Amino acid sequence: DIQMTQSPSTLSASVGDRVTITCRASQSISRWLAWYQQKPGKAPNLLIYKASTLESGVPSRFSGSGSGTEFTLTISSLQPDDFATYYCQQYNIYLTFGGGTKVEIK
Amino acid sequence: QVQLQESGPGLVKPSQTLSLTCTVSGGSISGGGYYWSWVRQPAGRGLECIGRVDTSGNTNYNPSLASRLTISLDTSKSQFSLRLTSVTAADTAVYYCARVRGYFDLWGRGTLVTVS
Repeated sequence: DIQMTQSPSTLSASVGDRVTITCRASQSISRWLAWYQQKPGKAPNLLIYKASTLESGVPSRFSGSGSGTEFTLTISSLQPDDFATYYCQQYNIYLTFGGGTKVEIK
Repeated sequence: QVQLQESGPGLVKPSQTLSLTCTVSGGSISGGGYYWSWVRQPAGRGLECIGRVDTSGNTNYNPSLASRLTISLDTSKSQFSLRLTSVTAADTAVYYCARVRGYFDLWGRGTLVTVS
């Protein structure tokens, strides 16, 4: 089993802040990593796949980087619509999610 | 565009079987080389991939659920299904169906299943 660990679990930030979320894999997953945004009561929404490829329609303030075991999701300038929970997910071997990072209003 | 819709009982008794169906509309369930998957989320907690099925009927299951789990595909109905036996309160969650190409690129709205 590949374990995915996200940090922090909660992040307090203000509109306009640059926000970075980290995801670590228990073994190398190359670049087979995706990021999702989830709002309360809604299904997750794909933001990024293959570590850094932005899904169609996702704002360019979202970006992803990393390879191997360490990855980051960055929001360059936090917008009101971005307060949500973010999950990483590996798809190198089967499919596993990180525990999530809740981005809340400071 | 392609849409997914979960259906099934919202309440299941302990020790009984949870059965859900996902209907795929607006596109072919058998084209594109996708997997079709179930993901669940207990209230206030994270996402757990239950398992997936490809268009040939090959499956991969979460090892923690594999002994109780069956996922199947019916291309004639554009549906795939989840069957989880011997449920307990720990199986209470929102269950999502999703389309998978490694990553999950399309999700249903989710359905709450309570075991009680």
